[in-house]
Amino acid sequence: DGGITQSPKYLFRKEGQNVTLSCEQNLNHDAMYWYRQDPGQGLRLIYYSQIVNDFQKGDIAEGYSVSREKKESFPLTVTSAQKNPTAFYLCASSSRQGAINEQFFGPGTRLTVL
Amino acid sequence: SQQGEEDPQALSIQEGENATMNCSYKTSINNLQWYRQNSGRGLVHLILIRSNEREKHSGRLRVTLDTSKKSSSLLITASRAADTASYFCVTARSGNTPLVFGKGTRLSVIA
Repeated sequence: DGGITQSPKYLFRKEGQNVTLSCEQNLNHDAMYWYRQDPGQGLRLIYYSQIVNDFQKGDIAEGYSVSREKKESFPLTVTSAQKNPTAFYLCASSSRQGAINEQFFGPGTRLTVL
Repeated sequence: SQQGEEDPQALSIQEGENATMNCSYKTSINNLQWYRQNSGRGLVHLILIRSNEREKHSGRLRVTLDTSKKSSSLLITASRAADTASYFCVTARSGNTPLVFGKGTRLSVIA
């Protein structure tokens, strides 16, 4: 089946620790995105990548880092510099560079800082 | 930013009734999309309407777009309990800019 997978589904982190959220897609999409969602809120863009080995900051990139070494993978690292990391994180991809086409979403990772 | 803003924030209806959600945005767009999110899950694309279209249908969904008023509406006819979800209006500008999400409308369909 084609789609986007995110792992883990739930993640717990102690304060001061870095954690990496996985996002993999087998849709052959060029563009990938990371969003953060807080309770009762919409999605805010953290980082996006339109092509391998290139990525751009979104609206709330501080305290996060990404890499795009392979077309299929776009991992997100939540660093200790992120002041309030507890949230629901969603990864998405789209079929070509840009926002014209629909985005396909993964099931999300819920991160809780203890 | 050209965030789509949905109205109302929450809507509760009986099964079988129609549900209408509205969206307003601020700047010119290439297309407008509606997504659904079930609680604690990822988003699912419902429908895309381009800036040169005025109305589009997909099953029980009907979307309208009025670019002069910078507004869109999503109508779900004959609602079902399974339609209970949050619905997001998403705008896309011309060019390679990411989508911008509103806060969504939380729809509850009571059986």
